[in-house]
Amino acid sequence: DTEVTQTPKHLVMGMTNKKSLKCEQHMGHRAMYWYKQKAKKPPELMFVYSYEKLSINESVPSRFSPECPNSSLLNLHLHALQPEDSALYLCASRVAGRDYNEQFFGPGTRLTVL
Amino acid sequence: SQKIEQNSEALNIQEGKTATLTCNYTNYSPAYLQWYRQDPGRGPVFLLLIRENEKEKRKERLKVTFDTTLKQSLFHITASQPADSATYLCATGRDGGATNKLIFGTGTLLAVQP
Repeated sequence: DTEVTQTPKHLVMGMTNKKSLKCEQHMGHRAMYWYKQKAKKPPELMFVYSYEKLSINESVPSRFSPECPNSSLLNLHLHALQPEDSALYLCASRVAGRDYNEQFFGPGTRLTVL
Repeated sequence: SQKIEQNSEALNIQEGKTATLTCNYTNYSPAYLQWYRQDPGRGPVFLLLIRENEKEKRKERLKVTFDTTLKQSLFHITASQPADSATYLCATGRDGGATNKLIFGTGTLLAVQP
């Protein structure tokens, strides 16, 4: 299984809602990532988990809260988002330990904040 | 600051021709470059990796070069087909170790006309 899955595919939420994005992989990858991508822009790194521990937070606002419950799962909890947070949220994973290993991306969650 | 630029936002070519995409970097000495393909509304898909001590890599109709003197990587698609139409992203790592933070270039939207 060489796939990264993400749910839901689309999400519409109000600014007062709490929701979660889910990412799953069964490739045994121990590095997992969250990216945010706006239209016609490249993916922008948000968080990196390495061996289930948060290793990088790219100064992301606290209304985004990541969680890695086990080596296959990655969640992104959303609370009190702003309309400018509307974007495609991508999850990725890779084999940890070697810099140059490719990242495997999921299909993304298209988030709209009203 | 570190910068990766793909100097064509869009490239239109005729089917059967060779598409050449450029990735330039400044204030940085990457150990490797990766190329990804991204279709609309989907996550990027890894295509090729080239390391700093390699001049050229090939995979089927794809070829990538890496010139550390010019600080540039070229990505070629020979005998292009309409199915090759997509956004192509170059990317390189910022940090060593397990976390592998990728910096993505701005992307080039390739359109292959039949």
